[in-house]
Formats: sequence, structure tokens, C-alpha cells
Amino acid sequence: ETGVTQSPTHLIKTRGQQVTLRCSSQSGHNTVSWYQQALGQGPQFIFQYYREEENGRGNFPPRFSGLQFPNYSSELNVNALELDDSALYLCASSFGMGEAFFGQGTRLTVV
Amino acid sequence: AQKITQTQPGMFVQEKEAVTLDCTYDTSDPSYGLFWYKQPSSGEMIFLIYQGSYDQQNATEGRYSLNFQKARKSANLVISASQLGDSAMYFCAMREGRDDKIIFGKGTRLHILP
Repeated sequence: ETGVTQSPTHLIKTRGQQVTLRCSSQSGHNTVSWYQQALGQGPQFIFQYYREEENGRGNFPPRFSGLQFPNYSSELNVNALELDDSALYLCASSFGMGEAFFGQGTRLTVV
Repeated sequence: AQKITQTQPGMFVQEKEAVTLDCTYDTSDPSYGLFWYKQPSSGEMIFLIYQGSYDQQNATEGRYSLNFQKARKSANLVISASQLGDSAMYFCAMREGRDDKIIFGKGTRLHILP
């Protein structure tokens, strides 16, 4: 077990709605990254937070946003949900550029 | 161009045999790290092994070893004495230099047969 926990584990939302996914990082880790994994694909980098600031972003639109809190936990927010946003969302924590440990993921279905 | 290439979409291996999962990578950065992750059907991405570009020796973790051939830009995962619980999707991944993101390959689905 990695110590990285994500909630909720499953979620069903309607197109156009907004969703918030949560991640608690492993103790001692100050960096959180979020990934989107579509069915049958490898994970794609969304963004990373380091010391409460966005530290890098992948090729995702601004309706994907995030936060990191002083305890290094993090949220991923997605506005105006589209059907293609249906995916497994993975959170990874690390200490700086070290090994990244993933949570169990949140499976989001947009209908 | 793809940064991480895994050429085996699926593999079937008899229990207790060794298995090699192929991975090649492409980078011009002299500093990088290579990862292998296991993803069972539950979805969790389980870290297996890490190899830094400056590491002189191949990484090993229990039954897992990484066959790192820097000149060929190859980072194959070797699983010795395979077990039924090894059946899963396996991803090779890379982080370049001080970059923030980890880039994943498309994965190899490994089936261990009893």
C-alpha cells in the first residue's frame, strides 16, 4: 500500500456538470501530480503541484484546474464535463523529482 | 515521435517461467529516470522499479530487475519465476531531467497461465 488515497473511488456525472476529485499524498511527500487514463491507454499528465503552486501542466484545457493545500493534499476540479472526460483519474505523490507513488484512482463516468 | 515504446500489446507466459517485457525510450536529455509500473484490473498503479540514467548498475527489486542498455535506449523489465498474481497491465515510463511529468508507454498486458 502506497499511502496515497483518492476519493471517491467511483463517480457518475452528467455532461456539463462540475466535479472535484481529492487526493491525500504519502507522508513526507510535497509534490502531487494528476493523470488521466482513458480506457486502454497509458496515463496522460494533467498537472503537478509543488508547495501549493502549479509546477507544470500537460495538454489539458483550463476547465481542468487544481489546488494543493498546506498539508500537501490536493484537489482536481473539472468544469463543464464532457463525455470524453470519462476516464480513470490517478493522483501521484513524490518528494520533489523522486519516485512517484500512485493512489488507487477515481473512475469518472460522464453520461 | 513516441517517447516510450512498448511493442508487446499482450503476452502469455507459463507460471514459474521468467518473462521479459520490452521498453525502448527516446530522449536527448542526459539526465532521466525510467520507471516500471504494474496496473491490476482494480486500477491502482503500483510502482515496481526505478532506474536513473546515471546509475551504473541495473536496478533490482525482489523478483523484478531492469535490464538497462543505455546505448540502445532500452529498459526491459524482467520478472523471474512468474506467479499467477503477476497477471496485469505493465507500463514503462520516463521522467526527463527536471521535467515535472512522467511519460507512459501504451502498456503490455501480461497473462500468467497455470
